[in-house]
Amino acid sequence: DIQMTQSPYTLSASVGDRVTITCRASQSISSSLAWYQQKPGNAPKLLIYKASTLESGVPSRFSGSGSGTEFTLTITSLQPDDFATYYCQQYESYYTFGQGTKLEIK
Amino acid sequence: QVQLQESGPGLVKPSQTLSLTCTVSGGSINTGTYYWNWIRQPAGKGLEWIGRIYTSGSTSYNPSLKSRVTMSLDTSKNQFSLNLSSVTAADTAVYYCGGGEAGFGGNWFDPWGQGTLVTVSS
Repeated sequence: DIQMTQSPYTLSASVGDRVTITCRASQSISSSLAWYQQKPGNAPKLLIYKASTLESGVPSRFSGSGSGTEFTLTITSLQPDDFATYYCQQYESYYTFGQGTKLEIK
Repeated sequence: QVQLQESGPGLVKPSQTLSLTCTVSGGSINTGTYYWNWIRQPAGKGLEWIGRIYTSGSTSYNPSLKSRVTMSLDTSKNQFSLNLSSVTAADTAVYYCGGGEAGFGGNWFDPWGQGTLVTVSS
């Protein structure tokens, strides 16, 4: 099965910062990757699919890139609402998620 | 706009079968627009896909859970269900139902239900 590894595990940043979260696949998954945001007590929210396609209604400060085994989620100009946990998910073979990256306020 | 809502017992005894239902509103479960999924999340941990079912009744399960999972549809009630047998404490988690648009292969999940906590304990 395909393993997904995110880094860092925790990220501390301030409002207005630019942050990048990395997701690595144990084997090539082409562009078969989605990103989600989850806040405590809530279901995950889809942000990006096909590695770089922004879901409708998601702010343009979110962007995704990558293909093959390495992917990134970038948030420019962090807003207070962005502090949450972020997960990547591959759909090349069945579905597996990364372990999550918690974005905290510095 | 399709909305999902999980329901079922919050407490299940070890070795018994966990049974959950997801009610779909705002659209018919029978249109073929979505694959219907179950995903779980142990407290403080990551997400694990359990399996999915399509309008046709075809299913796909996580290989690590396949021997214990059964999913079904009830089109008369606009619901789909999850049965997970022989549960242990390791099955304690928040269980989510979610849709994946069939036009995209159902490969990412939106919408999601709010989740329901199931605890396995005697």
